[in-house]
Amino acid sequence: AQSVSQHNHHVILSEAASLELGCNYSYGGTVNLFWYVQYPGQHLQLLLKYFSGDPLVKGIKGFEAEFIKSKFSFNLRKPSVQWSDTAEYFCAVNEVSNYQLIWGAGTKLIIKP
Amino acid sequence: SAVISQKPSRDICQRGTSLTIQCQVDSQVTMMFWYRQQPGQSLTLIATANQGSEATYESGFVIDKFPISRPNLTFSTLTVSNMSPEDSSIYLCSVNTGRQAYNEQFFGPGTRLTVL
Repeated sequence: AQSVSQHNHHVILSEAASLELGCNYSYGGTVNLFWYVQYPGQHLQLLLKYFSGDPLVKGIKGFEAEFIKSKFSFNLRKPSVQWSDTAEYFCAVNEVSNYQLIWGAGTKLIIKP
Repeated sequence: SAVISQKPSRDICQRGTSLTIQCQVDSQVTMMFWYRQQPGQSLTLIATANQGSEATYESGFVIDKFPISRPNLTFSTLTVSNMSPEDSSIYLCSVNTGRQAYNEQFFGPGTRLTVL
């Protein structure tokens, strides 16, 4: 069965620090990959996604992620975080033709001002 | 995009009772989903709500416990039946407005359920 693992459950950074959140999945076939974010008191919303083409994808608010097929990874990055990036971040995967998303456990990111 | 509302936003219920959660979307959508997010855990798909037919349940979830209705393309309900404290969770409705599995899923605000 597919699974998604996020390496860190809690991350605390200072403003302007660089961010990398890990995401690995287990599935041998072709997949779509997503990062969703949930800001405090808000709905889950899409940050970025990969389904084909350039493995480096850019999302909203300066986030990007790189799909490395050989490592089954889709790590999220941001060169300089802001206090407003405090949120919970979820990695999710689905098979190319299957709407069902498999979710990671989430990473709670706290940015200290 | 899609704007999704859920009712109630939260509830505290007694063991053995049932609660029906409503999900309303501001546009017609084909795919509607119900998820559960237990404290400290990730999202788990309960079922796909199909318009005009029975919902498709994931492993570990059954219709008797989580009956779902989908009377039209903008509305669905999830009932949590015969509740126990283990059902305490956030229940989320989501939709996919596109025709591809890589399309974004939009989420409602969730219903926070506490069972005593």
